[in-house]
Amino acid sequence: DQQVKQNSPSLSVQEGRISILNCDYTNSMFDYFLWYKKYPAEGPTFLISISSIKDKNEDGRFTVFLNKSAKHLSLHIVPSQPGDSAVYFCAASLDNQGGKLIFGQGTELSVKP
Amino acid sequence: DVKVTQSSRYLVKRTGEKVFLECVQDMDHENMFWYRQDPGLGLRLIYFSYDVKMKEKGDIPEGYSVSREKKERFSLILESASTNQTSMYLCASSLGGWQVRETQYFGPGTRLLVL
Repeated sequence: DQQVKQNSPSLSVQEGRISILNCDYTNSMFDYFLWYKKYPAEGPTFLISISSIKDKNEDGRFTVFLNKSAKHLSLHIVPSQPGDSAVYFCAASLDNQGGKLIFGQGTELSVKP
Repeated sequence: DVKVTQSSRYLVKRTGEKVFLECVQDMDHENMFWYRQDPGLGLRLIYFSYDVKMKEKGDIPEGYSVSREKKERFSLILESASTNQTSMYLCASSLGGWQVRETQYFGPGTRLLVL
């Protein structure tokens, strides 16, 4: 039972264009969401997060949008760069769970020059 | 800079062997986690610990155990390795205790092959 789903295993985008990565969740009690980025042969690194009291959080080229009614979040990368090519995982957490995260399956982004 | 290190990058073991995966963090973090990453399944939590000698089962604890004797070290143990435990194993740590959500910092991973 996958509580956090990333339904697109892969995405290919041209350099300079927008990349949009999507994530859906089923548990309405999740109240904190994160995006991680993973290069091959490295561990995931934290990218950006959003609390459920917000609907948008922006950090440079990266923006996360949260739609609680649809139980959906998305990561926008503008403009996309070849160095953004990686696997992106969304994750969700609940309060009082010891920092436990539930991860999606990941989306592999390829940004072509 | 937070540093999470894992004892091996690659391991090859035989079915039935007892396997130890070690993880060390150098930032005095309270919480430590073990995940496995498999294609199409993402990262799945095996066990986590929010204090020395404390452990909690994650989503897929079967076939695994853990040990946290010191704050900086969290070990994952495969009691009797099986081929379906072939995977990438990732260790992570975060600053806070039970009620605090903090960013998790990951090690580079150990790719385990069980023959």
